[in-house]
Amino acid sequence: GQQLNQSPQSMFIQEGEDVSMNCTSSSIFNTWLWYKQEPGEGPVLLIALYKAGELTSNGRLTAQFGITRKDSFLNISASIPSDVGIYFCAGSGGTSYGKLTFGQGTILTVHP
Amino acid sequence: NAGVTQTPKFQVLKTGQSMTLQCAQDMNHNSMYWYRQDPGMGLRLIYYSASEGTTDKGEVPNGYNVSRLNKREFSLRLESAAPSQTSVYFCASRKNQGRSYEQYFGPGTRLTVT
Repeated sequence: GQQLNQSPQSMFIQEGEDVSMNCTSSSIFNTWLWYKQEPGEGPVLLIALYKAGELTSNGRLTAQFGITRKDSFLNISASIPSDVGIYFCAGSGGTSYGKLTFGQGTILTVHP
Repeated sequence: NAGVTQTPKFQVLKTGQSMTLQCAQDMNHNSMYWYRQDPGMGLRLIYYSASEGTTDKGEVPNGYNVSRLNKREFSLRLESAAPSQTSVYFCASRKNQGRSYEQYFGPGTRLTVT
Protein backbone atom coordinates (compact mmCIF):
# COMPACT_ATOMS: atom_id res chain seq x y z
CA GLY A 1 0.00 0.00 0.00
CA GLN A 2 0.93 3.66 -0.04
CA GLN A 3 3.51 4.74 2.51
CA LEU A 4 4.58 8.14 3.71
CA ASN A 5 7.97 8.81 5.22
CA GLN A 6 8.00 11.88 7.41
CA SER A 7 11.22 13.43 8.68
CA PRO A 8 12.65 14.28 11.01
CA GLN A 9 10.98 12.12 13.65
CA SER A 10 11.64 14.75 16.31
CA MET A 11 13.11 18.22 16.65
CA PHE A 12 14.34 20.18 19.65
CA ILE A 13 14.74 23.87 18.87
CA GLN A 14 15.10 27.22 20.58
CA GLU A 15 12.30 29.76 20.50
CA GLY A 16 12.74 32.03 17.49
CA GLU A 17 14.33 29.43 15.24
CA ASP A 18 12.83 28.36 11.93
CA VAL A 19 11.66 24.75 11.44
CA SER A 20 11.50 22.57 8.35
CA MET A 21 9.97 19.13 7.99
CA ASN A 22 9.01 17.03 5.00
CA CYS A 23 7.12 14.02 3.76
CA THR A 24 7.93 11.74 0.87
CA SER A 25 5.69 9.16 -0.72
CA SER A 26 6.21 6.06 -2.82
CA SER A 27 3.13 7.08 -4.85
CA ILE A 28 1.79 10.21 -6.49
CA PHE A 29 -0.72 12.17 -4.44
CA ASN A 30 -3.35 14.66 -5.61
CA THR A 31 -3.71 16.32 -2.24
CA TRP A 32 -1.36 17.03 0.65
CA LEU A 33 -2.60 18.06 4.08
CA TRP A 34 -0.69 19.13 7.17
CA TYR A 35 -2.12 18.64 10.66
CA LYS A 36 -0.96 19.58 14.16
CA GLN A 37 -1.82 17.53 17.22
CA GLU A 38 -1.40 18.85 20.75
CA PRO A 39 -1.25 16.52 23.78
CA GLY A 40 -4.61 14.96 24.58
CA GLU A 41 -6.30 16.45 21.51
CA GLY A 42 -7.24 15.40 18.00
CA PRO A 43 -5.32 16.53 14.91
CA VAL A 44 -6.19 20.01 13.66
CA LEU A 45 -5.89 20.89 9.98
CA LEU A 46 -3.25 23.56 9.30
CA ILE A 47 -2.84 23.72 5.52
CA ALA A 48 -4.30 21.94 2.48
CA LEU A 49 -2.47 21.73 -0.88
CA TYR A 50 -4.15 20.71 -4.12
CA LYS A 51 -1.77 21.51 -6.98
CA ALA A 52 1.79 20.44 -7.78
CA GLY A 53 4.16 23.32 -7.04
CA GLU A 54 1.58 25.11 -4.89
CA LEU A 55 2.94 27.15 -1.99
CA THR A 56 0.44 28.09 0.72
CA SER A 57 0.87 30.07 3.92
CA ASN A 58 -1.09 30.21 7.15
CA GLY A 59 0.47 32.82 9.41
CA ARG A 60 4.00 31.68 10.23
CA LEU A 61 3.44 28.34 8.52
CA THR A 62 4.23 27.72 4.87
CA ALA A 63 3.71 24.43 3.04
CA GLN A 64 4.59 23.34 -0.47
CA PHE A 65 3.26 20.62 -2.75
CA GLY A 66 6.33 19.12 -4.45
CA ILE A 67 6.62 19.24 -8.23
CA THR A 68 6.94 15.45 -8.47
CA ARG A 69 3.67 15.12 -6.46
CA LYS A 70 5.49 12.65 -4.23
CA ASP A 71 6.58 15.06 -1.53
CA SER A 72 5.55 18.02 0.57
CA PHE A 73 7.31 20.41 2.94
CA LEU A 74 6.19 22.40 5.98
CA ASN A 75 8.14 25.35 7.33
CA ILE A 76 7.48 27.24 10.55
CA SER A 77 9.16 30.59 10.92
CA ALA A 78 10.19 32.23 14.20
CA SER A 79 8.96 29.36 16.39
CA ILE A 80 7.20 30.06 19.69
CA PRO A 81 6.48 27.75 22.65
CA SER A 82 2.88 27.12 21.55
CA ASP A 83 4.18 25.51 18.34
CA VAL A 84 4.94 22.43 20.45
CA GLY A 85 3.10 19.33 19.26
CA ILE A 86 3.15 16.56 16.70
CA TYR A 87 2.91 17.56 13.05
CA PHE A 88 1.46 15.06 10.60
CA CYS A 89 1.43 15.08 6.85
CA ALA A 90 -1.34 13.27 5.02
CA GLY A 91 -1.82 12.55 1.35
CA SER A 92 -4.68 11.47 -0.85
CA GLY A 93 -4.47 9.76 -4.22
CA GLY A 94 -7.95 10.92 -5.07
CA THR A 95 -10.05 7.90 -4.14
CA SER A 96 -13.78 8.47 -4.08
CA TYR A 97 -14.07 7.97 -0.36
CA GLY A 98 -11.28 10.44 0.40
CA LYS A 99 -8.85 8.00 2.00
CA LEU A 100 -5.86 9.72 3.57
CA THR A 101 -2.48 8.13 4.20
CA PHE A 102 -0.71 9.63 7.22
CA GLY A 103 2.96 10.06 7.99
CA GLN A 104 4.33 8.93 11.35
CA GLY A 105 4.56 12.49 12.64
CA THR A 106 7.29 14.95 13.64
CA ILE A 107 7.45 15.75 17.35
CA LEU A 108 8.40 19.40 17.82
CA THR A 109 9.75 20.72 21.13
CA VAL A 110 10.46 24.43 21.50
CA HIS A 111 12.68 25.61 24.35
CA PRO A 112 11.90 29.16 25.60
CA ASN B 1 -20.83 24.43 16.04
CA ALA B 2 -19.24 21.73 18.17
CA GLY B 3 -17.61 20.10 15.11
CA VAL B 4 -16.85 16.43 15.77
CA THR B 5 -17.61 15.11 19.26
CA GLN B 6 -16.63 11.75 20.74
CA THR B 7 -17.70 9.88 23.86
CA PRO B 8 -16.34 8.64 26.15
CA LYS B 9 -13.02 10.47 26.48
CA PHE B 10 -11.41 7.64 28.48
CA GLN B 11 -12.30 3.99 28.96
CA VAL B 12 -10.72 0.97 30.63
CA LEU B 13 -11.97 -2.47 29.65
CA LYS B 14 -11.09 -5.99 30.67
CA THR B 15 -10.20 -8.50 27.96
CA GLY B 16 -13.38 -9.90 26.43
CA GLN B 17 -15.64 -6.99 27.37
CA SER B 18 -17.54 -5.10 24.71
CA MET B 19 -18.15 -1.41 24.22
CA THR B 20 -19.29 1.15 21.68
CA LEU B 21 -17.47 4.40 20.93
CA GLN B 22 -19.77 7.18 19.86
CA CYS B 23 -19.07 9.92 17.32
CA ALA B 24 -21.26 12.76 16.07
CA GLN B 25 -20.67 15.71 13.75
CA ASP B 26 -22.78 18.82 13.27
CA MET B 27 -21.15 20.08 10.04
CA ASN B 28 -23.55 18.25 7.69
CA HIS B 29 -20.63 16.24 6.34
CA ASN B 30 -21.26 13.18 4.20
CA SER B 31 -18.25 10.99 5.00
CA MET B 32 -17.10 9.79 8.39
CA TYR B 33 -14.04 7.79 9.46
CA TRP B 34 -12.65 5.88 12.42
CA TYR B 35 -8.88 5.80 13.02
CA ARG B 36 -6.64 4.38 15.67
CA GLN B 37 -3.40 6.05 16.73
CA ASP B 38 -0.53 4.07 18.19
CA PRO B 39 2.91 5.45 19.11
CA GLY B 40 5.17 5.88 16.09
CA MET B 41 2.54 4.60 13.64
CA GLY B 42 0.57 7.66 12.68
CA LEU B 43 -3.16 7.25 12.13
CA ARG B 44 -4.53 4.05 10.64
CA LEU B 45 -7.99 3.81 9.14
CA ILE B 46 -10.27 1.22 10.73
CA TYR B 47 -13.60 1.80 8.93
CA TYR B 48 -15.20 4.55 6.96
CA SER B 49 -18.64 5.58 5.77
CA ALA B 50 -18.65 7.45 2.46
CA SER B 51 -22.29 8.45 2.92
CA GLU B 52 -25.28 7.68 5.09
CA GLY B 53 -26.21 4.03 4.77
CA THR B 54 -22.80 2.76 3.62
CA THR B 55 -19.77 1.48 5.50
CA ASP B 56 -16.52 -0.10 4.33
CA LYS B 57 -13.35 -1.56 5.81
CA GLY B 58 -10.16 0.41 6.06
CA GLU B 59 -6.62 -0.77 6.77
CA VAL B 60 -7.13 -2.43 10.17
CA PRO B 61 -10.80 -3.53 10.53
CA ASN B 62 -10.33 -6.84 12.37
CA GLY B 63 -12.02 -6.90 15.78
CA TYR B 64 -14.25 -3.90 15.04
CA ASN B 65 -17.71 -3.19 13.69
CA VAL B 66 -19.34 0.11 12.79
CA SER B 67 -22.79 1.58 12.38
CA ARG B 68 -23.70 4.75 10.48
CA LEU B 69 -26.81 5.51 12.47
CA ASN B 70 -27.74 8.61 10.47
CA LYS B 71 -25.88 11.41 8.70
CA ARG B 72 -24.61 12.83 12.00
CA GLU B 73 -23.56 9.72 13.91
CA PHE B 74 -21.02 6.96 13.30
CA SER B 75 -20.27 4.44 16.06
CA LEU B 76 -17.43 1.95 16.49
CA ARG B 77 -18.01 -1.28 18.40
CA LEU B 78 -15.53 -3.65 19.97
CA GLU B 79 -17.36 -6.94 20.52
CA SER B 80 -14.64 -8.69 22.53
CA ALA B 81 -11.84 -6.33 23.50
CA ALA B 82 -8.22 -7.49 23.35
CA PRO B 83 -5.08 -5.85 24.79
CA SER B 84 -3.92 -5.18 21.20
CA GLN B 85 -6.86 -2.77 20.89
CA THR B 86 -5.38 -0.47 23.53
CA SER B 87 -5.05 2.75 21.56
CA VAL B 88 -6.39 6.23 21.01
CA TYR B 89 -9.39 6.26 18.68
CA PHE B 90 -10.28 9.24 16.53
CA CYS B 91 -13.39 9.92 14.54
CA ALA B 92 -13.24 12.30 11.57
CA SER B 93 -15.63 13.71 8.98
CA ARG B 94 -15.36 15.15 5.45
CA LYS B 95 -17.71 17.22 3.35
CA ASN B 96 -17.36 15.33 0.01
CA GLN B 97 -17.57 18.57 -1.95
CA GLY B 98 -15.51 19.10 -5.06
CA ARG B 99 -11.87 18.15 -4.65
CA SER B 100 -11.78 18.69 -0.92
CA TYR B 101 -10.16 15.83 0.98
CA GLU B 102 -9.96 17.78 4.22
CA GLN B 103 -10.94 15.70 7.23
CA TYR B 104 -11.86 17.18 10.59
CA PHE B 105 -11.13 15.23 13.74
CA GLY B 106 -12.76 14.77 17.12
CA PRO B 107 -10.83 14.93 20.42
CA GLY B 108 -10.35 11.16 20.68
CA THR B 109 -11.18 8.29 23.02
CA ARG B 110 -8.32 6.81 25.02
CA LEU B 111 -8.98 3.09 25.47
CA THR B 112 -7.01 0.72 27.66
CA VAL B 113 -7.71 -3.03 27.58
CA THR B 114 -6.24 -5.00 30.47
